Amino acid sequence: QKEVEQNSGPLSVPEGAIASLNCTYSDRGSQSFFWYRQYSGKSPELIMSIYSNGDKEDGRFTAQLNKASQYVSLLIRDSQPSDSATYLCAMTRLGNEKLTFGTGTRLTIIP
Amino acid sequence: DTEVTQTPKHLVMGMTNKKSLKCEQHMGHRAMYWYKQKAKKPPELMFVYSYEKLSINESVPSRFSPECPNSSLLNLHLHALQPEDSALYLCASSLLVGSYEQYFGPGTRLTVT
Repeated sequence: QKEVEQNSGPLSVPEGAIASLNCTYSDRGSQSFFWYRQYSGKSPELIMSIYSNGDKEDGRFTAQLNKASQYVSLLIRDSQPSDSATYLCAMTRLGNEKLTFGTGTRLTIIP
Repeated sequence: DTEVTQTPKHLVMGMTNKKSLKCEQHMGHRAMYWYKQKAKKPPELMFVYSYEKLSINESVPSRFSPECPNSSLLNLHLHALQPEDSALYLCASSLLVGSYEQYFGPGTRLTVT
């Protein structure tokens, strides 16, 4: 079992709809969770971080964390074509300096 | 400001060349990282520096040699690379090592011929 699992996609969502990206993890010691957006040929860009159970909203983005069920998700409201990218879920555990990445979900917003 | 800069943006080198990649941040971060990323794969950690000292080497071949001259600069010296080393090399920084947000630079696209 991979440490961090994401559906590789592609996930196609109509413009203006809600895009829902999911990530599950196996290490119960995981403590901090991050979502990165990566456009083709570019570097990852941090868009959300979440550290405690519940929802965290920032503009059109909402991150959701459920440590009991070991999943973290990212919702993108009012999806725009510019949201088309690969979204990487990443996490760290207490006492570990490494950021563990999922394989990423490719999201395509259809105009 | 969460800017990490990297130079050069692109690099083509032969297998006998010696070259260096440079990374700089002025956010006061004390942790800096080198990652390697192949197409359609997530970034793969290579090295971690904490307070200018190497704290993690992910069993990287010795043809890659990192250096942290001061708290703002990180270099990656390259020598006798192989074609399979062609990839996007990413530098990142965070306030400290651990559960802190990491910010990536734009990367250096390396091609080894």
